[in-house]
Amino acid sequence: GAGVSQSPSNKVTEKGKDVELRCDPISGHTALYWYRQSLGQGLEFLIYFQGNSAPDKSGLPSDRFSAERTGGSVSTLTIQRTQQEDSAVYLCASSSSSSGNTIYFGEGSWLTVV
Amino acid sequence: RKEVEQDPGPFNVPEGATVAFNCTYSNSASQSFFWYRQDCRKEPKLLMSVYSSGNEDGRFTAQLNRASQYISLLIRDSKLSDSATYLCVVLTSGTYKYIFGTGTRLKVLA
Repeated sequence: GAGVSQSPSNKVTEKGKDVELRCDPISGHTALYWYRQSLGQGLEFLIYFQGNSAPDKSGLPSDRFSAERTGGSVSTLTIQRTQQEDSAVYLCASSSSSSGNTIYFGEGSWLTVV
Repeated sequence: RKEVEQDPGPFNVPEGATVAFNCTYSNSASQSFFWYRQDCRKEPKLLMSVYSSGNEDGRFTAQLNRASQYISLLIRDSKLSDSATYLCVVLTSGTYKYIFGTGTRLKVLA
């Protein structure tokens, strides 16, 4: 696609429920990132995928968070048993060395846990 | 010490003013540098990459000082539409981890 696409754009969920957030990176971009940003705060790295290599999960805040990337393209971030502190915008980004290592973001998925 | 540090601001400047932001980074192996702009409740968007020799894009000038490990962004003739948060981003050689500063908030006043 022309840009990084994320869905849903907004999600309100009850505490304790599971949520799935989807990211479709720019076509041809091998690197995919998930970040989290709470209101008024900086970007927090969550996880990184590069091609078929094992992902870097070092930024995932707890074992309630997981992510996968199927076929080297679309990625899903799953949050199990959501807590109120999970409320944030979840930003997906992709990059490619052929694009000068510039990282491009999707519009984000705004998650509110009530 | 944070890997990338920025003055959070806010910088409140009148229209037409010139304003400059600095960003310091701690890893001397840092390789690629960028300025991103983030509007309220929007995703970060690339403003410009920062090249070793410095570069200019219209009213925006970016510079890199490797010796002192900082990058700067100069905005000339500020517009109301320049009001946003400006994020400094650093990529270290041989890694894929982009390190984001927490941003400098700019408000251009009429």
